[in-house]
Amino acid sequence: ILNVEQSPQSLHVQEGDSTNFTCSFPSSNFYALHWYRWETAKSPEALFVMTLNGDEKKKGRISATLNTKEGYSYLYIKGSQPEDSATYLCAPSGGYQKVTFGTGTKLQVIP
Amino acid sequence: DGGITQSPKYLFRKEGQNVTLSCEQNLNHDAMYWYRQDPGQGLRLIYYSQIVNDFQKGDIAEGYSVSREKKESFPLTVTSAQKNPTAFYLCASSTISGQGGGQPQHFGDGTRLSIL
Repeated sequence: ILNVEQSPQSLHVQEGDSTNFTCSFPSSNFYALHWYRWETAKSPEALFVMTLNGDEKKKGRISATLNTKEGYSYLYIKGSQPEDSATYLCAPSGGYQKVTFGTGTKLQVIP
Repeated sequence: DGGITQSPKYLFRKEGQNVTLSCEQNLNHDAMYWYRQDPGQGLRLIYYSQIVNDFQKGDIAEGYSVSREKKESFPLTVTSAQKNPTAFYLCASSTISGQGGGQPQHFGDGTRLSIL
C-alpha cells in the first residue's frame, strides 16, 4: 500500500481566488499519478493522468504538475468558481492497473 | 450513453447475511475495480479484475468475494465474515495500458450499505 498524503485536508476560498493543493507519494516504483474531482452526490471524475517527471497538464482553469523524483504533484485552480467546490483526490500508481487514493482535499468556493 | 451502473443505491443487511452489490459497465473496459469509502479515509481497493474469469485481491479483501464471468459485470458479495461492512462502495472501470495504472478510471454512483 502506497503512503499518499494530500494537503490541506480542506480549504475555503473566495470566488475569484486562485488556489493550489499538494499530493505527496513515494517516489520509488512510480508509474502514474491520477487526479480526480468528486462533487457531492456525484461520482468521481478523472481530471488528469500524468506519467513523466515535469509533466504539466491543463483543463480549463485547472492545471497540475508532477515531480516524480521528489514524489509530489500540485493541482492549481485559477480564478475559483462555486462550481469548483468538490473534493480533489490524487491517486499514484505503481503499476499492475492499481492506484492508491489519498484522503483528498475538500475545496469550498464561497460566492 | 456509456457508463457504469451500480445497484442498489442503498442496501440494508441483517447481521449474518451475505449481500451482493451489482456493477455493470457498457464502456467495453477490460479492468474493473471495487472500492470502499469510510469517513475520513481515502478510497480503499477491495478487489480488481483485468480480464474475464480472473481477479486479484486489493488491500482490504477479507470478508468480500467477487466474480467476473462477463466483461460487463463485476458483482461484489459482502459476506458475513466482513465484521464492519457499513460503508459506501464504489465500482470503477478502465481500459488497460502497458504496464498498468496509467488509464483513468470511470466510476459508478455507489452503493451505501448499512447494517440493521
